[in-house]
Amino acid sequence: NAGVTQTPKFRILKIGQSMTLQCAQDMNHNYMYWYRQDPGMGLKLIYYSVGAGITDKGEVPNGYNVSRSTTEDFPLRLELAAPSQTSVYFCASSYGGGRSNQPQHFGDGTRLSIL
Amino acid sequence: AQKVTQAQTEISVVEKEDVTLDCVYETRDTTYYLFWYKQPPSGELVFLIRRNSFDEQNEISGRYSWNFQKSTSSFNFTITASQVVDSAVYFCALSEAGWAGGGNKLTFGTGTQLKVEL
Repeated sequence: NAGVTQTPKFRILKIGQSMTLQCAQDMNHNYMYWYRQDPGMGLKLIYYSVGAGITDKGEVPNGYNVSRSTTEDFPLRLELAAPSQTSVYFCASSYGGGRSNQPQHFGDGTRLSIL
Repeated sequence: AQKVTQAQTEISVVEKEDVTLDCVYETRDTTYYLFWYKQPPSGELVFLIRRNSFDEQNEISGRYSWNFQKSTSSFNFTITASQVVDSAVYFCALSEAGWAGGGNKLTFGTGTQLKVEL
């Protein structure tokens, strides 16, 4: 099983450019999440999705957009890249079923630098 | 609002020493879940354990053990006989009771960098 796959692994953007971070999972998980991790900090939730066609904001959504057209894919879009968005981005997914708070499975991350 | 505090920014130990990583949490929920994740130098996040608020039994898994105490809002993690391969950043995380359907939003602590030296 591939689990959660993120592409690209590294990217350098210029200020004002746009890009899409890709995330795909093959575990048939209902729930998907995007986090960012800044140096010396924990992860902060950007957006999440409870199923295809349904997304909602997390703690730090400004400057980002998401879509969820299929169960497998959950891309994160940066429209106008800013230096404050330099970070490591993690995508995660978890199984849906009851209220048991199943653990989230994480991808390997995308290291993004905005110059 | 939920909050997770990992006051130890960095810990250095010599191999075979025991080490405890502290985690203190704040929540108004009566039902919640606590997690520990490991982030090795390669950068990925590895799930270690999940504990719900109604289960205060300590857990042991090989050299790892967890001590959950609701009275002090703590969920500490102990590694016995540490090894170099344990060197990583360890995150404690908290989530409220799951949505109908099982999803959850995690609140992470800032992590503890553990360095195990020979």
